[in-house]
Amino acid sequence: EPEVTQTPSHQVTQMGQEVILRCVPISNHLYFYWYRQILGQKVEFLVSFYNNEISEKSEIFDDQFSVERPDGSNFTLKIRSTKLEDSAMYFCASSEYPGLAGGPAGNEQFFGPGTRLTVL
Amino acid sequence: ELKVEQNPLFLSMQEGKNYTIYCNYSTTSDRLYWYRQDPGKSLESLFVLLSNGAVKQEGRLMASLDTKARLSTLHITAAVHDLSATYFCAVDIPLGGSQGNLIFGKGTKLSVKP
Repeated sequence: EPEVTQTPSHQVTQMGQEVILRCVPISNHLYFYWYRQILGQKVEFLVSFYNNEISEKSEIFDDQFSVERPDGSNFTLKIRSTKLEDSAMYFCASSEYPGLAGGPAGNEQFFGPGTRLTVL
Repeated sequence: ELKVEQNPLFLSMQEGKNYTIYCNYSTTSDRLYWYRQDPGKSLESLFVLLSNGAVKQEGRLMASLDTKARLSTLHITAAVHDLSATYFCAVDIPLGGSQGNLIFGKGTKLSVKP
């Protein structure tokens, strides 16, 4: 069964360093997302992406964050200068349909296993 | 401000018992999703509810959606230990464009004890 994959599974970095988190969405999906989950808390939306552009972003997704689809399979999240409060689990997700445009499964999103980011 | 509220946040049940988890949301939406998360793991899609009155069942879990009341329920029947996990509801709300985005509740941590 197709699945979303993410690398690395765990990233440890020093405050102020840049990190790139990588995701490979499900191959026939066109809509991509990043979420984060601070330990023990709820899952928070960061950004959605379609057709090589950001569709929407939350207040969390400030100038320190960027996303890119560098080739036909990878989808990356870059944090330019990490802060302690960026420590969290970062989940990539993909969907076949965007939601409002309909589709039999609405905006059902499939999540990757996550990357645990630890900023020291 | 959009709010998605789940209750209870913690639920300890005995095997064989029934219980309901509630998910209230504060804005109009007719798309709601339930996910399961095991400790240290990712989110697994359980149910997709796309209209008022939608009801879906899978094994001992049944989810429903009342868009007028802005309420979804996840009902657990005859709980077993394998159902122990954190359950999240998520509402599909576009922030401005046409691509929906999931706004999650805080999750209900379910523990089923023998």
